Amino acid sequence: GEDVEQSLFLSVREGDSSVINCTYTDSSSTYLYWYKQEPGAGLQLLTYIFSNMDMKQDQRLTVLLNKKDKHLSLRIADTQTGDSAIYFCASNSGYALNFGKGTSLLVTP
Amino acid sequence: EAQVTQNPRYLITVTGKKLTVTCSQNMNHEYMSWYRQDPGLGLRQIYYSMNVEVTDKGDVPEGYKVSRKEKRNFPLILESPSPNQTSLYFCASSTNTVGAYGYTFGSGTRLTVV
Repeated sequence: GEDVEQSLFLSVREGDSSVINCTYTDSSSTYLYWYKQEPGAGLQLLTYIFSNMDMKQDQRLTVLLNKKDKHLSLRIADTQTGDSAIYFCASNSGYALNFGKGTSLLVTP
Repeated sequence: EAQVTQNPRYLITVTGKKLTVTCSQNMNHEYMSWYRQDPGLGLRQIYYSMNVEVTDKGDVPEGYKVSRKEKRNFPLILESPSPNQTSLYFCASSTNTVGAYGYTFGSGTRLTVV
């Protein structure tokens, strides 16, 4: 399938901003998603962005999309310990979703 | 509540003993899929189904079977489990157009094959 790449680990201090980056290869993707997986739980849709948008803000979350470079980022403002989780980037290819391997975010007090 | 329900949540079994992991969704979704999640490998798709009686292989189908006799159910069958199938399994569903809602995932089944 199409590739979605993201860094594997990120560690931040509580109160700082976190930025998780992702690149994808399918230029026909119309939606790009961020999922969150907390320990022992399933994947929960955090937010999405439509491909004709550059930015989407939802409370502490900001998604930036550079469609030309096929680069997606998720910024979490004022990161809290409860934000510690694995974050998956995904792009759609018709009915299929292509997932990255996930970025483990560790928030330290 | 709209959800995908998997059972069991945890399962320990022995090599070669057939098992079934059930998945049910109450959203009238056409599309359903099974993934396995392993450390360092992310999510890998096992099988998917576009609708009743329509199934197809994903990236890692070996050792698994599925069926889709009803729209709401999509069981995953391991006819002869082996230790390399020890993993965390997720069922997911969506409309066929996926769209803004993406996939809805179940809570996962942690399978250990000894």
